[in-house]
Amino acid sequence: DAGVIQSPRHEVTEMGQEVTLRCKPISGHDYLFWYRQTMMRGLELLIYFNNNVPIDDSGMPEDRFSAKMPNASFSTLKIQPSEPRDSAVYFCASSLQGLRTEAFFGQGTRLTVV
Amino acid sequence: GESVGLHLPTLSVQEGDNSIINCAYSNSASDYFIWYKQESGKGPQFIIDIRSNMDKRQGQRVTVLLNKTVKHLSLQIAATQPGDSAVYFCAENGMDSSYKLIFGSGTRLLVRP
Repeated sequence: DAGVIQSPRHEVTEMGQEVTLRCKPISGHDYLFWYRQTMMRGLELLIYFNNNVPIDDSGMPEDRFSAKMPNASFSTLKIQPSEPRDSAVYFCASSLQGLRTEAFFGQGTRLTVV
Repeated sequence: GESVGLHLPTLSVQEGDNSIINCAYSNSASDYFIWYKQESGKGPQFIIDIRSNMDKRQGQRVTVLLNKTVKHLSLQIAATQPGDSAVYFCAENGMDSSYKLIFGSGTRLLVRP
């Protein structure tokens, strides 16, 4: 397996634009996580899914953020409208057995909102 | 990887020496802890985990020690190699019952050749 695949690797967008980040988890992993990493706040869990169902989205900062998982092999994180403070590295991760186990992270998407 | 912060505590060790990275956790009720390594430009990579019913757990060249009395966790790396240079994060259970992990701010390990 190629691991968790995220796209794009880098995204530069103007404030107010919609941004969509994509993730393909490792096949067979039932859990998918979206994290955000910034200098100020470190690594934060935004939302996670179990069997394509969102379980906990309490980490999603605002209504501007939404995430979907239409099937077991694909998830998206959308920001609409984007703001400069959304600039960060966004990671997708997947695991076999949930939160209290090894998670495999993708390479991340570096988002810059100007 | 570059976005983890410019003012991280840094540990500099000579290649071949042992490294000890420390982590203080906040939730006395935490019963699960995990260490990740993050190289520049990459996502975090699992190193080792430990549950609170254990004081010590060993992996390949790594050992995690848990001291629940003082809420302290450490990661020991034996015979540190240049490839160990990275930022190391510990994480614990969150304060609520959701089992979400709360990550620390990280420690940068620099290995001198």
